[in-house]
Amino acid sequence: DGGITQSPKYLFRKEGQNVTLSCEQNLNHDAMYWYRQDPGQGLRLIYYSQIVNDFQKGDIAEGYSVSREKKESFPLTVTSAQKNPTAFYLCASSRQGRPNEKLFFGSGTQLSVL
Amino acid sequence: GENVEQHPSTLSVQEGDSAVIKCTYSDSASNYFPWYKQELGKGPQLIIDIRSNVGEKKDQRIAVTLNKTAKHFSLHITETQPEDSAVYFCAASKYAGGTSYGKLTFGQGTILTVHP
Repeated sequence: DGGITQSPKYLFRKEGQNVTLSCEQNLNHDAMYWYRQDPGQGLRLIYYSQIVNDFQKGDIAEGYSVSREKKESFPLTVTSAQKNPTAFYLCASSRQGRPNEKLFFGSGTQLSVL
Repeated sequence: GENVEQHPSTLSVQEGDSAVIKCTYSDSASNYFPWYKQELGKGPQLIIDIRSNVGEKKDQRIAVTLNKTAKHFSLHITETQPEDSAVYFCAASKYAGGTSYGKLTFGQGTILTVHP
């Protein structure tokens, strides 16, 4: 089956710790995205990448970092600088990164702070 | 930048009734308006979209209408069923052609509950 795979499903972070969320896609899509979902706030864009080895900040990039070394993979690191990391994180992809393309989402990772 | 407001935040209907969710947007240049459905524990899925050169689009029990003058668009679900229960998100973006990138801005979401 083609799709987006996110892991882990649940993740706990200790104070001062960096954690990395995994996102893999086998849709051969050029563009990948990370969104943060908080109750009542919709989906907010953290980072996006339209092509391998290139990525751009979204609306709420502070405290996060990404890499795009392979077309299939777009991991997100939540650093200790992110003071309120508890949220549901969604990875998505689209064919070419145009704003009128369908987004394909993974099933998400729930990050909580211990 | 673009701002998308979505109402209501929660909506409860009886099975068989219609449900309507409304969104307004601020950027008159926006020209693409998708709707996503998110079931519990899953990622959102595109259910219908509309572009600014069209006023209405239907797909079986769901329809979307767009009023460019008033800058609002709505999702209509008829003959609701319990499996329609989910969170629905509207969004807006502008596409300028070619390989240009334009951000998709999402509304706050509507929790729809359909009671059997």
